[in-house]
Order: sequence, then structure tokens, then C-alpha cells
Amino acid sequence: GNSVTQMEGPVTLSEEAFLTINCTYTATGYPSLFWYVQYPGEGLQLLLKATKADDKGSNKGFEATYRKETTSFHLEKGSVQVSDSAVYFCALRALNSGNTPLVFGKGTRLSVIA
Amino acid sequence: GAVVSQHPSRVICKSGTSVKIECRSLDFQATTMFWYRQFPKKSLMLMATSNEGSKATYEQGVEKDKFLINHASLTLSTLTVTSAHPEDSSFYICSARDPINWTYEQYFGPGTRLTVT
Repeated sequence: GNSVTQMEGPVTLSEEAFLTINCTYTATGYPSLFWYVQYPGEGLQLLLKATKADDKGSNKGFEATYRKETTSFHLEKGSVQVSDSAVYFCALRALNSGNTPLVFGKGTRLSVIA
Repeated sequence: GAVVSQHPSRVICKSGTSVKIECRSLDFQATTMFWYRQFPKKSLMLMATSNEGSKATYEQGVEKDKFLINHASLTLSTLTVTSAHPEDSSFYICSARDPINWTYEQYFGPGTRLTVT
């Protein structure tokens, strides 16, 4: 079946450090890939997405590239801020249809200290 | 962007009682809504998919008689936890899909923390 594996947390970084959160997936066909972020006390928000191989999603300084050959969608940011502290979820959707739900990884908690 | 609300945000109930959680799409009509359950330090587990005007489709292992889902209108879906027990304590999150948006993006509510004593 379809699944997402992302690195275990928590991840603690100093402000301005480089961030990588690894995400790999298993899916049939060509899924769409997503990163969601959950700030403390809030719901999940879409951070970025990519719908086909070699696409790069980017938002708020975060980037992730859809790598079909390695079935990966690693999240990166060059310089994290305290405000980036949150839980990050990698997710996939196997089909682009109305009823196909997202499949999530377990989430990675990021704490950025000043 | 589209907004999804949930009510209540927190609820504490006694074992054996029922609790209803509402999920509303505020500025769009959602033909499809999803209900997830989030366990501590674990991922979101899809419980069911509901389409407006029809019965919900439950994931394997989710008791449909315990978790009643109603999607009576294009802007409202409800999840009722019947005869709640402490093991039902969890964070419940709903998500709605905007059918006008061809990318079928899902928008998430802020979640409801249920504690059963």
C-alpha cells in the first residue's frame, strides 16, 4: 500500500542553522507529494507541494524536490528561525481525485532556539 | 485561502456519554470531508471519508457504529463519538476539499481535543 516515512524527531536547531527533514514514500503510480506544518495549537497548513517528478515546491524559504528515482521529498531550509518551530508532516496523495485522501508520515517536531 | 472550523476545540466528557464534533467549511462548499485521528507522537490516521448526502466510507478497523459521521450539507460534517471510553481520548481533525480547486487541495480544521474521564 501507500506509505510515507519521515525522520524521527525531535529536531533541535539553533537559529540560522540549515534544516533537512528526510521523507521517503512508497506508492503505486505517480503520487502528488506535500509538506504540511502544524504550529502549536493550530491545524495543519499546507506548506508546499509537488505534483510530478523533478518538480520543486517552495514556500516561506522551505523547499522540497520530488525525486522519483529515490522516492524522496526531503524538506530543506537554508536558515531557520524561531518562528519555524512546529511539527512538519510529509504526505502523499496517490490519485488526483476528489475522494483520495492524504496519507501522512508520523511528523517531525522541529524546535529552533535563539 | 479556504477556512475550515471545528467546534468545540476541547471537550471533556464522562465515560459512557456521547460527544458531537462539528466541522464546517466557512467560505466554500465541500462535497468531500475527511476525519482523522491524531495520536501523541504519531501520524494522522484517516478514520473515514464522507461525501455530502451519502454514507461515510470508514477505514478498516474504525467502528462505524461508534464513530457516527453525518455530512448533511455542503458546509457541515459531524462526528459523534458514541458511548465514549477513555481510550477514545484523542485529537480529532477534520479536513475538507474544495471541489472548485482542480488540485483538490485539502484544508484542515484546527482539531478537537477529546478527553474521556
